[in-house]
Amino acid sequence: RKEVEQDPGPFNVPEGATVAFNCTYSNSASQSFFWYRQDCRKEPKLLMSVYSSGNEDGRFTAQLNRASQYISLLIRDSKLSDSATYLCVVRRSNDYKLSFGAGTTVTVRA
Amino acid sequence: GAVVSQHPSRVICKSGTSVKIECRSLDFQATTMFWYRQFPKQSLMLMATSNEGSKATYEQGVEKDKFLINHASLTLSTLTVTSAHPEDSSFYICSARGVSGTVRDFDGYTFGSGTRLTVV
Repeated sequence: RKEVEQDPGPFNVPEGATVAFNCTYSNSASQSFFWYRQDCRKEPKLLMSVYSSGNEDGRFTAQLNRASQYISLLIRDSKLSDSATYLCVVRRSNDYKLSFGAGTTVTVRA
Repeated sequence: GAVVSQHPSRVICKSGTSVKIECRSLDFQATTMFWYRQFPKQSLMLMATSNEGSKATYEQGVEKDKFLINHASLTLSTLTVTSAHPEDSSFYICSARGVSGTVRDFDGYTFGSGTRLTVV
């Protein structure tokens, strides 16, 4: 079983729509969680960290469910520029290594 | 913010040759460098972890004699793909973690811009 699993999508949504997707992780001792964004095989860029209480950054909302071991990302009022692959990333419990999901592709159309 | 400069961004080489990829931390000291490989439509896979001044630790299934990692200083780490073959064609990317106490410890990791290697 992969450490981090994501629905690959693609999610094709019109501008202004809301889109949400999850990822699951297998290691219950994982400590830190992130969403990264990757464009066209460029380097991943940190979108936001995910905290236990859930957190919001503008149009982006992240939730963490430790009991069910899943993380979610919701994008409100989608913009064309939100088109990208979103990577779910989990930091292992006892070292600083990161485990990446394969990514969820989002395409926002005009 | 913290920046990691990775070079080259793209390289095409002949089968059997070696290719060196460099990652430099420009405004912070990278105590740990992670090297990843990403095949099309797949996730980033950790290849190895290097700490300044010590030998790299390789993930299971990664040949240490084929992928040579040097982390001789706190600002420079290199990955050399030796005797490259077409199956080594991939996107290689480094990620640096800074000295203890920097914000990057907990807010994420600073990635290089990646190197697309094509072996023909």
